[in-house]
Amino acid sequence: SQQGEEDPQALSIQEGENATMNCSYKTSINNLQWYRQNSGRGLVHLILIRSNEREKHSGRLRVTLDTSKKSSSLLITASRAADTASYFCATEDRAGNNRKLIWGLGTSLAVNP
Amino acid sequence: NAGVTQTPKFQVLKTGQSMTLQCAQDMNHNSMYWYRQDPGMGLRLIYYSASEGTTDKGEVPNGYNVSRLNKREFSLRLESAAPSQTSVYFCASRVPKGQGVPDGYTFGSGTRLTVV
Repeated sequence: SQQGEEDPQALSIQEGENATMNCSYKTSINNLQWYRQNSGRGLVHLILIRSNEREKHSGRLRVTLDTSKKSSSLLITASRAADTASYFCATEDRAGNNRKLIWGLGTSLAVNP
Repeated sequence: NAGVTQTPKFQVLKTGQSMTLQCAQDMNHNSMYWYRQDPGMGLRLIYYSASEGTTDKGEVPNGYNVSRLNKREFSLRLESAAPSQTSVYFCASRVPKGQGVPDGYTFGSGTRLTVV
């Protein structure tokens, strides 16, 4: 069952600009995770934010979580061509549910040189 | 430290043939997962194994079987392949719950399967 919904579905920006992607979900969660997938490759874990956290940083990545709105955003600052990829959010629900993740459909980001 | 290794990377099967997708991780993770990824459908969980000796169905288990051979290896078997099983298959593993800082999944590079 699909829980996360990323917005926008596709985003095209110029190198150096910031990219913001949003994720909405439906149930109470333990944590929310963001992953990157380069074309034809596996997914790479970027960052995990727990339900009691509101903001987290990792290098050029900034993730926010608003549990009252059941939404999260991923900001990539000073984007580079190498950031071109699909970005997925995934949630682990509060029930624990054997630690399965529920995935969104992803945002396709194109960073133009 | 290789992470999660999947084999084969590509496979073409005829309808009705069987095959096993192999997955191994060297990170001492307890939990392992098999997903399929289809355009417009996102990642869907086929089967998972919370620990050695246990397996459970995910969202789309029909047509598949799994074996958790030991802590390192988790294989996915298609007994009689169908065109609807054409997809990209990913294996993933995760650090055991309660051990250190919670972290995300580690994914293999995928198996691209075409059933004709």
